[in-house]
Amino acid sequence: QAVLTQPSSLSASPGASASLTCTLRSGINVGTYRIYWYQQKPGSPPQYLLRYKSDSDKQQGSGVPSRFSGSKDASANAGILLISGLQSEDEADYYCMIWSSSALVFGGGTKLTVL
Amino acid sequence: QLQLQESGPGLVKPSETLSLTCTVSGGSISSGSSFWGWIRQSPGKGLEWIGTMYYSGSTYYNPSLKSRVTISVDTSKNQFSLKLTSVTAADTAVYYCVRHPSYSSNSFYGMDVWGQGTTVTVSS
Repeated sequence: QAVLTQPSSLSASPGASASLTCTLRSGINVGTYRIYWYQQKPGSPPQYLLRYKSDSDKQQGSGVPSRFSGSKDASANAGILLISGLQSEDEADYYCMIWSSSALVFGGGTKLTVL
Repeated sequence: QLQLQESGPGLVKPSETLSLTCTVSGGSISSGSSFWGWIRQSPGKGLEWIGTMYYSGSTYYNPSLKSRVTISVDTSKNQFSLKLTSVTAADTAVYYCVRHPSYSSNSFYGMDVWGQGTTVTVSS
């Protein structure tokens, strides 16, 4: 079982909100981890969006709009990237990442389609 | 504005050593506020952390690659480098150099600045 699991795809309408999940493997407690989120558009490197551990331990990437925010769902053992007021430019791949077992580990990514 | 630029051969033969260099501009590699690392991305394996280092020489490697990886720094040139030995087709990927903000001399956050990436193909 992968350390981080993300849905392969998600579709949402312009102006709506999209909630991207990053589920941690059973036995790894989401509460103890900083979760990082990255956005990647075709032909470009990933760009740092934000990191989230708690409301008192979080950081927004430089220049990243406030409509991108992080949270956790402890009941689902998952990190969440919420994108509100979706725009066509938000169409991209989104990756989560944590530090686990002496390595930085990525999720498989979610392809977000805005249509 | 901090910028990173990868350079190196785009084609490497199987069993040989992959060598890449990252040139840092807009900041000093030895400032102490940053760690420096390498990430790769392939269609088959997605994003994979290779390793990270501090300008003092401390290194942190992915356990799955540790036996084949060396990351080093040249502060005089404001560059750091990656060597990956005994490469196979599975090492074909886009390689990115990255910056990690530090929060102590031996702890760092995830990457916040990425280079544009360089494609390396392993083939005879």
